[in-house]
Amino acid sequence: KAGVTQTPRYLIKTRGQQVTLSCSPISGHRSVSWYQQTPGQGLQFLFEYFSETQRNKGNFPGRFSGRQFSNSRSEMNVSTLELGDSALYLCASREGGSSYEQYFGPGTRLTVT
Amino acid sequence: AQRVTQPEKLLSVFKGAPVELKCNYSYSGSPELFWYVQYSRQRLQLLLRHISRESIKGFTADLNKGETSFHLKKPFAQEEDSAMYYCALSGEDDKIIFGKGTRLHILP
Repeated sequence: KAGVTQTPRYLIKTRGQQVTLSCSPISGHRSVSWYQQTPGQGLQFLFEYFSETQRNKGNFPGRFSGRQFSNSRSEMNVSTLELGDSALYLCASREGGSSYEQYFGPGTRLTVT
Repeated sequence: AQRVTQPEKLLSVFKGAPVELKCNYSYSGSPELFWYVQYSRQRLQLLLRHISRESIKGFTADLNKGETSFHLKKPFAQEEDSAMYYCALSGEDDKIIFGKGTRLHILP
């Protein structure tokens, strides 16, 4: 099976802009989670989608949003970018339900200038 | 609220010495605990989970509910163990929360 893929891999944006990141899960996986990874904070949970519905949400402002499509692909959007949003954004997929093993993508490196 | 604490940002250990990566958690229910590992230039991947009680690459971890800990141990460190290690917890809402991670550096 192909692994989790994320596009784009690298992105440079300026403050105030918005950005959309994409994640394609492993075939058959219905759950997609998003994490923000920074050196200081480690992995912080953003949200999880399961069968097109947001199942869980972390403690991020409303500027961070996501969605999931019927083919389980997911997008994450960040509006009004701030310098502090610079991070590696990881997506992870799992089969769903109570299947705990997550498979991670390579991440999208977002730099906000 | 769910919380995972990894008190050490960096742990340096000589090759052949024992390794212990600490993880403490806060959760009122019955959690599932995991260790994930990220080797240099590789993706984050699951190392082991407490429910399987298995040893992977020589690593073991025991869930201690009394001390709310899930420390990762290996009796003899190898150079290829150098990596970033994350402890993670999943509660009854299935949300998986990670600690900030510990960088393990094996010295030759």
